[in-house]
Amino acid sequence: AQKITQTQPGMFVQEKEAVTLDCTYDTSDPSYGLFWYKQPSSGEMIFLIYQGSYDQQNATEGRYSLNFQKARKSANLVISASQLGDSAMYFCAMRGYQKVTFGTGTKLQVIP
Amino acid sequence: DSGVTQTPKHLITATGQRVTLRCSPRSGDLSVYWYQQSLDQGLQFLIQYYNGEERAKGNILERFSAQQFPDLHSELNLSSLELGDSALYFCASSLGLADSYEQYFGPGTRLTVT
Repeated sequence: AQKITQTQPGMFVQEKEAVTLDCTYDTSDPSYGLFWYKQPSSGEMIFLIYQGSYDQQNATEGRYSLNFQKARKSANLVISASQLGDSAMYFCAMRGYQKVTFGTGTKLQVIP
Repeated sequence: DSGVTQTPKHLITATGQRVTLRCSPRSGDLSVYWYQQSLDQGLQFLIQYYNGEERAKGNILERFSAQQFPDLHSELNLSSLELGDSALYFCASSLGLADSYEQYFGPGTRLTVT
């Protein structure tokens, strides 16, 4: 079985501050990929960042970084220097063997 | 723009009807995924095709079917529609099968069943 848990239904962050969105996962697959997607109110799904289960270093993409702790089975997304345009739903997802699972999402609101 | 196209953008139909949703992947991508996003179920993986063949199946109902054609576009067929099938249906594509390939999502088709 494969499971993704996002325990924060909603979060607020002040503009220009950093924010961490939590994601824990469970899988029996030896190899898997972890992804974060952003879904603005317009509805499209935007790929943000990827972390492979065998990657030694945490992934970074611009203002996004993934804090990967394999032993704890967590893959938290860190957004630095939040911008108003970061307000959106954020989904953590995992791709394992013949299966893709998404979390329930975290709604992030950036306050000016 | 992700490069993935989906048609139609919106679809309104009645219970018991059948509809077909169409997806064209990004140029060069061989893998196509279908997802359903509803308020109560969240984002659910339905099915994956790779180069014309079914590769993985998620929570896809028996009333739903899909295929990927030789030109790599894909169609999702939904039949005997029920009110609960109202949702946003996404298609995504990726380069291949490896879990490292990110998926690029299309804009979605919003299906409303009345």
